[in-house]
Amino acid sequence: DSGVTQTPKHLITATGQRVTLRCSPRSGDLSVYWYQQSLDQGLQFLIQYYNGEERAKGNILERFSAQQFPDLHSELNLSSLELGDSALYFCASSAGGLYPYEQYFGPGTRLTVT
Amino acid sequence: DAKTTQPTSMDCAEGRAANLPCNHSTISGNEYVYWYRQIHSQGPQYIIHGLKNNETNEMASLIITEDRKSSTLILPHATLRDTAVYYCIVRGANSGYALNFGKGTSLLVTP
Repeated sequence: DSGVTQTPKHLITATGQRVTLRCSPRSGDLSVYWYQQSLDQGLQFLIQYYNGEERAKGNILERFSAQQFPDLHSELNLSSLELGDSALYFCASSAGGLYPYEQYFGPGTRLTVT
Repeated sequence: DAKTTQPTSMDCAEGRAANLPCNHSTISGNEYVYWYRQIHSQGPQYIIHGLKNNETNEMASLIITEDRKSSTLILPHATLRDTAVYYCIVRGANSGYALNFGKGTSLLVTP
């Protein structure tokens, strides 16, 4: 158990809909990262937050957004969903953002768009 | 961030050492070498990381060549539970220390 929790575990929704994925980092960790894993693209970094502020952006679509709240939990919002958004979404946390601390991953949310 | 090259797949007998190589010839001085693994559809698991020196922890050893252009992850006594995809990642500050996963090496540990 990494100490990172993600909810829900599974999500099935229709095209065009909007969903929110939630992540609670390990106790004391300030950085949260979101990754997407699809069959054809592998694990892709989406976005990082450090202590409530956006720190780095990867291949995140404009339809996707994220935020980190004062209690350090984070949410990833996916809107106007398409079939190709079906994937595993992982959240990871690390102690800080100014040094390459190791990242600890949650169990993921499996999103299926029908 | 520097690119890495790993073999697509490897086999290892249970109880033997698994040596997983990684080439990162374009690594720069402030970039670290990280190893993670992912057991089928679970969240990736941190194994070990290093900058210049060899490192060892309870899971594995990391051997980095003197020129830092390649490294080897060693699982000293592989078990069936070590069957996973292993990712070698070079990581620096430019991407906020995000992990750039490639395709990794699929390690199969056989009885």
